[in-house]
Amino acid sequence: KNQVEQSPQSLIILEGKNCTLQCNYTVSPFSNLRWYKQDTGRGPVSLTIMTFSENTKSNGRYTATLDADTKQSSLHITASQLSDSASYICVVSPLSGGYNKLIFGAGTRLAVHP
Amino acid sequence: DGGITQSPKYLFRKEGQNVTLSCEQNLNHDAMYWYRQDPGQGLRLIYYSQIVNDFQKGDIAEGYSVSREKKESFPLTVTSAQKNPTAFYLCASSSKRLAGGYTGELFFGEGSRLTVL
Repeated sequence: KNQVEQSPQSLIILEGKNCTLQCNYTVSPFSNLRWYKQDTGRGPVSLTIMTFSENTKSNGRYTATLDADTKQSSLHITASQLSDSASYICVVSPLSGGYNKLIFGAGTRLAVHP
Repeated sequence: DGGITQSPKYLFRKEGQNVTLSCEQNLNHDAMYWYRQDPGQGLRLIYYSQIVNDFQKGDIAEGYSVSREKKESFPLTVTSAQKNPTAFYLCASSSKRLAGGYTGELFFGEGSRLTVL
């Protein structure tokens, strides 16, 4: 069964610190992997999209990495800000399987404290 | 500004009632989707539509219905047959169908929170 597992479930860090969120998946073959940021009570917003052939993608202070061999991705947040407090969702798109088979992880809830 | 508008933001339903959630997009996207989000779970697909007047069931379509009479609009009705409708509902759209390795953006609305009283 295709799955996407994220860890940790939740994380608390101090403002200015770095952190790394993990995403492990069993989807194979896959087309692309996406990271979204979702503020509480809001819709998800795209951070990065990586194809299976890409190893890293940056968006400001957010850097996503992908290891297709180990089926792992990470999202690194540098110099965290209070506004980074949100849930971060990993989404994997299978290469085949018909219409809309995106597989969503349950997310990591990040809290940045002053 | 282009985007997806969902309404209402908050909705309360009594047992046995049908309610309709609105989703409108001005991105000129062909494909639209409805997802359900529950605490501690990944988003689950309810219905999707690739073109006007056509839509397909997702993974958890039971107790829900949709229509796609206009390209811009994809309303979701939560019927009384849905046993556990309390959830956060998200509408999304993309310029092309999410298949065959599509790497374009999937845009989400701000969500509608439905609570059953």
